[in-house]
Amino acid sequence: KQEVTQIPAALSVPEGENLVLNCSFTDSAIYNLQWFRQDPGKGLTSLLLIQSSQREQTSGRLNASLDKSSGRSTLYIAASQPGDSATYLCAVRPQGGSEKLVFGKGTKLTVNP
Amino acid sequence: EPEVTQTPSHQVTQMGQEVILRCVPISNHLYFYWYRQILGQKVEFLVSFYNNEISEKSEIFDDQFSVERPDGSNFTLKIRSTKLEDSAMYFCASRAGLYSNQPQHFGDGTRLSIL
Repeated sequence: KQEVTQIPAALSVPEGENLVLNCSFTDSAIYNLQWFRQDPGKGLTSLLLIQSSQREQTSGRLNASLDKSSGRSTLYIAASQPGDSATYLCAVRPQGGSEKLVFGKGTKLTVNP
Repeated sequence: EPEVTQTPSHQVTQMGQEVILRCVPISNHLYFYWYRQILGQKVEFLVSFYNNEISEKSEIFDDQFSVERPDGSNFTLKIRSTKLEDSAMYFCASRAGLYSNQPQHFGDGTRLSIL
């Protein structure tokens, strides 16, 4: 059974700092991996999707990497801003035709002005 | 930018009652999903729906639950005889489906409170 873990559970950084969020998954047989942002009481906003054949994806100040064989992904946020404060979720879609996403519990990020 | 919309944003229901959660997926999307998130826990997959039928469901999605696409725009989740443990945030999502590696897009959720 696929399990997704995100460490740390919470992270507090000063504005302007570069930071890395970690995601690990137990079964390397994945189709893709998606990073989401969740604001309090809100839905999930898709940030980046990495296909299993890709190593990284970039969108603005965000860069996500994938090492499928070791079961790891990282989300790098450059020059963090207070508006980046949110919970960041990692989710994998298993191989084999499954449509479901298996989520981690998330990392709650606070960027202090 | 197109988005998934869910109504109501908050639903309060007495235990044992039936509840219907409504979603309007992004237009022209082909795959539809329901997930739930119990407070403080992970987001969990419930069901996926394609071509007017359930394509996959989780162990959580038992006979108490059903989904329907009653017309060309709405996608609903019905929970019969609600229990206290059904209290959660329920998210609807959709995916374009033209290419398998397109992302799922989520709505803002319906907070369901069972009293």
